[in-house]
Amino acid sequence: RKEVEQDPGPFNVPEGATVAFNCTYSNSASQSFFWYRQDCRKEPKLLMSVYSSGNEDGRFTAQLNRASQYISLLIRDSKLSDSATYLCVVNNQTGTASKLTFGTGTRLQVTL
Amino acid sequence: EAGVAQSPRYKIIEKRQSVAFWCNPISGHATLYWYQQILGQGPKLLIQFQNNGVVDDSQLPKDRFSAERLKGVDSTLKIQPAKLEDSAVYLCASSLPRQGVGETQYFGPGTRLLVL
Repeated sequence: RKEVEQDPGPFNVPEGATVAFNCTYSNSASQSFFWYRQDCRKEPKLLMSVYSSGNEDGRFTAQLNRASQYISLLIRDSKLSDSATYLCVVNNQTGTASKLTFGTGTRLQVTL
Repeated sequence: EAGVAQSPRYKIIEKRQSVAFWCNPISGHATLYWYQQILGQGPKLLIQFQNNGVVDDSQLPKDRFSAERLKGVDSTLKIQPAKLEDSAVYLCASSLPRQGVGETQYFGPGTRLLVL
C-alpha cells in the first residue's frame, strides 16, 4: 500500500462547480497534513494546512479524519485559474526534522 | 525575500555521463531537501540536510547519487553515471525547522533533466 494515495484524475469541471478531492494515508502516527498546488511545469506551493477541526480559506476547505486516515479538499465556485495538480502531503516529524511524503497528485481542469 | 534558487534549469545528457545540480536555499533556512519528481508522480525525497548534516538519505540511490552541503548553505546533487530512468525534475526545497508542527517547505523552480 502506498503511503499516500490519491485519485490522479483528471477532474474536468465547469467554472462555478464544486469539486472535492480525497486522499488516504497509511501511517496512523503521521502528525500533520497539507495540500500543495502544482501548476504545469512549476514547483509545488503550499495551498493550506489541514487540521482535525477542518479549516477554510476562501473557496477552499480542507478536512482531516484521523480515524479513517483520510484527508479532503473542497473547492467551491471553481475558477479557470484553479486548474492545476493538487498534491496531498503527509508529514512524519522526528524532533525538528520533518519528512514530507507526497501523493501522486490529482489533476484538476476547470473549463468554460 | 528571494526564493530558493536552482541551476541549471534544464540539462540534457547521455546515459553514463555525470551531471551536477546546484541549490541555494532561502537565507536563514537551516533545512534543505532534494526531491526527484518523475513525470506524473509526486515529488520523492532523496536527501534532507539540517545545516551541513544529513538527516535522511534513505531513498538516495547511493551507488550513483551523492549530495553535499559543506558550509550549511548551498548544496549540490550529483549523478554519476546517469541512467535513462533518472530523467526527472530535481527539486530543491528549504525550510525553517520547527518542533512538532511541520514547517512549510519552499521549493525552487527545479532542474529538468533528460537522459538520452
